[in-house]
Amino acid sequence: QSALTQPASVSGSPGQSITISCTGTRSDVGNYDLVSWYQQHPGRAPKLMIYEGTKRPSGVSNRFSGSKSGNTASLTISGLQAEDEADYYCCSYAGSNILVFGGGTKLTVL
Amino acid sequence: EVQLVESGGDLVQPGRSLRLSCAASGFTFDDYAMHWVRQVPGKGLEWVSGISWNSGSIGYADSVKGRFTISRDNAKNSLYLQMNSLRAEDTALYYCAKDRDYGGNSGFDYWGQGTLVTVSS
Repeated sequence: QSALTQPASVSGSPGQSITISCTGTRSDVGNYDLVSWYQQHPGRAPKLMIYEGTKRPSGVSNRFSGSKSGNTASLTISGLQAEDEADYYCCSYAGSNILVFGGGTKLTVL
Repeated sequence: EVQLVESGGDLVQPGRSLRLSCAASGFTFDDYAMHWVRQVPGKGLEWVSGISWNSGSIGYADSVKGRFTISRDNAKNSLYLQMNSLRAEDTALYYCAKDRDYGGNSGFDYWGQGTLVTVSS
């Protein structure tokens, strides 16, 4: 059970698009379409932004989208807004009732 | 309105035990899998354990396997985490989280506010 790999930080200006990567292995990200993404503001509980790789929960802005290529999943935020500044985590099913998170990415809106 | 309220966090000595509880309301509890996720303050999220709707499927992170036991009581709309042989590295804020599905791998759509466990002598 190794943690998924995310960049420690990414940044972008308002209105721009950014992408956060989440790299796993053939045993987790590469083997299942079961990656979820969470946004966490300081002092708050995480919020589900994407589930099952590409699906958006009701109420989440369509500026957020998920994708996958091989062993790497990605979260793209378009039309960046100040309120998007937060920590973002990916999570993947790894088989045998096991889930694994990424280390998290701090998004800074310049 | 979905609510998840954790309790049971405390300051405990290494090697001792603690039982966390999560009271759920606002949804049909026995239709969904549930999870415990922890976070060391200032650090990242770590999935700890998950249990399917009927307790038929259970999983643990390697870091807690053999020491922690997850369980649920659907009649009481409650989730539990029995934590034995606690270590300093178990110190964290423990979140209770609801899965989107009954199986336990679809994503956590609701979270509690967490209960703090501190393991220290």
